[in-house]
Amino acid sequence: ETGVTQTPRHLVMGMTNKKSLKCEQHLGHNAMYWYKQSAKKPLELMFVYNFKEQTENNSVPSRFSPECPNSSHLFLHLHTLQPEDSALYLCASSQGSSGRDYNYNEQFFGPGTRLTVL
Amino acid sequence: GQQVMQIPQYQHVQEGEDFTTYCNSSTTLSNIQWYKQRPGGHPVFLIQLVKSGEVKKQKRLTFQFGEAKKNSSLHITATQTTDVGTYFCAGLTDSWGKLQFGAGTQVVVTP
Repeated sequence: ETGVTQTPRHLVMGMTNKKSLKCEQHLGHNAMYWYKQSAKKPLELMFVYNFKEQTENNSVPSRFSPECPNSSHLFLHLHTLQPEDSALYLCASSQGSSGRDYNYNEQFFGPGTRLTVL
Repeated sequence: GQQVMQIPQYQHVQEGEDFTTYCNSSTTLSNIQWYKQRPGGHPVFLIQLVKSGEVKKQKRLTFQFGEAKKNSSLHITATQTTDVGTYFCAGLTDSWGKLQFGAGTQVVVTP
């Protein structure tokens, strides 16, 4: 286990549903990330929080809404998703830093949430 | 377009053989990280390279960062079935501001 947990592990939702993904890290890190992993594509960084401040929003559609209430928890709120949003959503954490030096730190990934949008 | 390219996309290897996977960028990288993702699993950090020409070894795995810091390679000797998975590189430049992952090399090992 990497110390990063994600729930649920699997989620099937309709396009009109609202759901949330949860990530929790027990590593004492201060940077947390959401990634989208689709088949045959590179990992896509969606959001980054460094010391609870959002430092990256990688042109993600507004139907995805992140929330970072504290340095241990990260949520991804989903609403009115499209079938093409079906993917594995991975959370990761790393040591935080000043500026964007967290990019030099090892990232620890959670097991992911396999999302299917019908 | 994709900023970090990995080749090959797929690699079928006979157990006991060596193979190399490559990571290329058109831009000089500040660092390169390598991750491994087993089938059905999540990415796990392997190594980070920062210096030009840097070489690091982990048992049968040898990682190299090019002199121009635009490419990197992962060489595995005497492949074992435990080496199965997808190997990702991720690079950073000042202009990108964030790690860019390659699409990965999927490795299949036949006994």
